[in-house]
Amino acid sequence: GAGVSQSPRYKVAKRGQDVALRCDPISGHVSLFWYQQALGQGPEFLTYFQNEAQLDKSGLPSDRFFAERPEGSVSTLKIQRTQQEDSAVYLCASSLVRGKGNTGELFFGEGSRLTVL
Amino acid sequence: GDSVTQMEGPVTLSEEAFLTINCTYTATGYPSLFWYVQYPGEGLQLLLKATKADDKGSNKGFEATYRKETTSFHLEKGSVQVSDSAVYFCALSGANNLFFGTGTRLTVIP
Repeated sequence: GAGVSQSPRYKVAKRGQDVALRCDPISGHVSLFWYQQALGQGPEFLTYFQNEAQLDKSGLPSDRFFAERPEGSVSTLKIQRTQQEDSAVYLCASSLVRGKGNTGELFFGEGSRLTVL
Repeated sequence: GDSVTQMEGPVTLSEEAFLTINCTYTATGYPSLFWYVQYPGEGLQLLLKATKADDKGSNKGFEATYRKETTSFHLEKGSVQVSDSAVYFCALSGANNLFFGTGTRLTVIP
């Protein structure tokens, strides 16, 4: 498809389980971002990739969160030993613009809604 | 640090009413400013943007002017439609990402 694709759209996990969320960005987009959006809040930055390099992971809330983009295209966000506070919508976005400075337009996927019981 | 403060909602308007959603920002340097919209069941999408002071972004009848003196980027529309019902997010560009406001839910009733 032409847009950013995320899967699964919905995930229910028991506390303590590991989850993996996938993002397929727009073809050719250099930059890829992960955001976390809690209910009633705006998206909060988690991490940023430029091609396969993870240039900023300052937003990852704990070492249970891990993201990768090994071939500079598809990315996976992994959450280990999930906790209830991890329940949120995880948004992936991609952009043609590379590098620091004024961020160009981000194209968002529909998100993966994670519920931890 | 960089941040965005956005008018809290929800906002309910009748069709053809005038809309203003306030947004102010705190930033070092000269960020770009954005309004993103999230329609029901869809992902966030860019509505409009402005890259420097006094720029006006516009799209689909919506407008916002980058005001450096008041550090604001208020969203306006002269006559809203039912199809404008959505959540609106103000955002500013950081070094590697966008900082978003908390969002304002707009409901337009016929």
